[in-house]
Amino acid sequence: QQQVKQSPQSLIVQKGGIPIINCAYENTAFDYFPWYQQFPGKGPALLIAIRPDVSEKKEGRFTISFNKSAKQFSLHIMDSQPGDSATYFCAASKQTGTASKLTFGTGTRLQVTL
Amino acid sequence: DVKVTQSSRYLVKRTGEKVFLECVQDMDHENMFWYRQDPGLGLRLIYFSYDVKMKEKGDIPEGYSVSREKKERFSLILESASTNQTSMYLCASSQAGLYGYTFGSGTRLTVV
Repeated sequence: QQQVKQSPQSLIVQKGGIPIINCAYENTAFDYFPWYQQFPGKGPALLIAIRPDVSEKKEGRFTISFNKSAKQFSLHIMDSQPGDSATYFCAASKQTGTASKLTFGTGTRLQVTL
Repeated sequence: DVKVTQSSRYLVKRTGEKVFLECVQDMDHENMFWYRQDPGLGLRLIYFSYDVKMKEKGDIPEGYSVSREKKERFSLILESASTNQTSMYLCASSQAGLYGYTFGSGTRLTVV
């Protein structure tokens, strides 16, 4: 049972384009929605995150859009660069005792071409 | 630079062997996690620990166990390795009450 569904599986855009990665969730108990970026040979690193009481968050060229009623959220990368080529994971979290347990999407492999 | 260190980058083991994957964090985090990463399946939670000697099952605990004897160290144990446990294993830690995870670079385990 995939609690967080992510699409597309892979994406190729030209430099300067705006790739969009989408995620949907089922569990309304989720209260934190981060995006992680992973380069080959490295572990995932937190990129940007949003809480469900906010509809949009921007950090540099990265924007999360959040639609609570539709239970969907997406990552937009403005003015994409070849250095943005990586695998991106959305995730959703809920508190379990003292631990915040993350449930991840299946990942999107992004390639930004020159 | 704070970090999560996984002891092995690559590991090859034989079917039936007992395998230990070690993870150490230097951030004094209360929570530690073990995930496995497989193509098309994303990251799936195996076990997590919110305190020394405390552990909880994640989504796919079958065939695995964990040990946390010290706050900074969290070990994943494959009691009897099988080929379907060939995967990338990622350790992460987080501070109690906070959401952000710090991941290690992973251990790519191959069971032959």
